[in-house]
Amino acid sequence: AQSVSQHNHHVILSEAASLELGCNYSYGGTVNLFWYVQYPGQHLQLLLKYFSGDPLVKGIKGFEAEFIKSKFSFNLRKPSVQWSDTAEYFCAVNAHSGYSTLTFGKGTMLLVSP
Amino acid sequence: DAGVIQSPRHEVTEMGQEVTLRCKPISGHNSLFWYRQTMMRGLELLIYFNNNVPIDDSGMPEDRFSAKMPNASFSTLKIQPSEPRDSAVYFCASSPRAGTSNTGELFFGEGSRLTVL
Repeated sequence: AQSVSQHNHHVILSEAASLELGCNYSYGGTVNLFWYVQYPGQHLQLLLKYFSGDPLVKGIKGFEAEFIKSKFSFNLRKPSVQWSDTAEYFCAVNAHSGYSTLTFGKGTMLLVSP
Repeated sequence: DAGVIQSPRHEVTEMGQEVTLRCKPISGHNSLFWYRQTMMRGLELLIYFNNNVPIDDSGMPEDRFSAKMPNASFSTLKIQPSEPRDSAVYFCASSPRAGTSNTGELFFGEGSRLTVL
């Protein structure tokens, strides 16, 4: 079974700082990878996804993530964060096998101070 | 397009009462998922359905929890009797395809915030 590990539970940044949130997964086969964002009091929304092809994936609101297969990683990045990026970020993986389901990491709470 | 629709958005009830949460998936989606989110445990998968059939209910915490999907456009999650530790946000999500062609991408509803006193 697959699993997902997110490195930080909480991250605090000032506006305009650069962001990198770590995500590692464990699964030996082919996977689909996702980052979801949950703004305070809201539901989870898809930020970006990787299925195949270019390992550098660009998502909404200036976010990007890079899939490094050799490291089993899918880190999320943003060059300059804004106060409105304050939210919880979830990394998730889905294995390419039968009725596999999305496995989520524990989430990283990002607080951006103005 | 309408997204995943959940009701009620908020429910406050007393311990021992029955709670029913409802979900309407996105039309055409074959898979439906129920998640529970708490501060302590994060996001937990309770049960999921493919083509209205329950595939994996190993995440359902106890026999007090049950879920049904009588047709492709409706699902319920029932807790009877409810307990204070059931207080959480319950999310329903749907996915476009079932089986081996499933990319895994989920579309979430707004959630039902349950408080059991």
